[in-house]
Amino acid sequence: DTGVSQDPRHKITKRGQNVTFRCDPISEHNRLYWYRQTLGQGPEFLTYFQNEAQLEKSRLLSDRFSAERPKGSFSTLEIQRTEQGDSAMYLCASSFGGGDGVTEAFFGQGTRLTVV
Amino acid sequence: RKEVEQDPGPFNVPEGATVAFNCTYSNSASQSFFWYRQDCRKEPKLLMSVYSSGNEDGRFTAQLNRASQYISLLIRDSKLSDSATYLCVVNWGTGGFKTIFGAGTRLFVKA
Repeated sequence: DTGVSQDPRHKITKRGQNVTFRCDPISEHNRLYWYRQTLGQGPEFLTYFQNEAQLEKSRLLSDRFSAERPKGSFSTLEIQRTEQGDSAMYLCASSFGGGDGVTEAFFGQGTRLTVV
Repeated sequence: RKEVEQDPGPFNVPEGATVAFNCTYSNSASQSFFWYRQDCRKEPKLLMSVYSSGNEDGRFTAQLNRASQYISLLIRDSKLSDSATYLCVVNWGTGGFKTIFGAGTRLFVKA
């Protein structure tokens, strides 16, 4: 399978625990995005990497959230001290871009987080 | 004002109907535009890019109006399988690129 893969697909955690999600983008894609989606809403932008550089972070990404892409390949999204409001689907997408050109973003199937 | 706004719907239409969705965006420097389709509990998938001159793909037509800052999607001869949420996507930025999704418009096509 050469698409975007996310792990785990589902995560149930107790409030206050830390969780970490992983995203493996399409191998030749240099851009990687994290989004959060709640029921009835479109995906909300969280952060964006070009290669290993994190170029933009949404104000939605509080201090409890951190994302890394250490070698410009896979990425991790960590949420510390989870809150019930963090319950959502976390989507990863990747694309190939150069200069100001943007190609189609391909999404993984998401990690559904439930904080109890 | 949201950066990208769509009518959430739902649009309930019979098979064979023509339906149109609009999407407005706030950043006049927006550079590229797409329509994505998202089925229930699935990830979004690209439906079509939106070009300045307008473009068509089978029963789907996308248009861009930069002056009024909106894009549109027209679906002709709608099928039951067109039932989904349609997400408007806008990109802007230089260097760091920002891809913003609308909240989506839900479409239900009924027999």
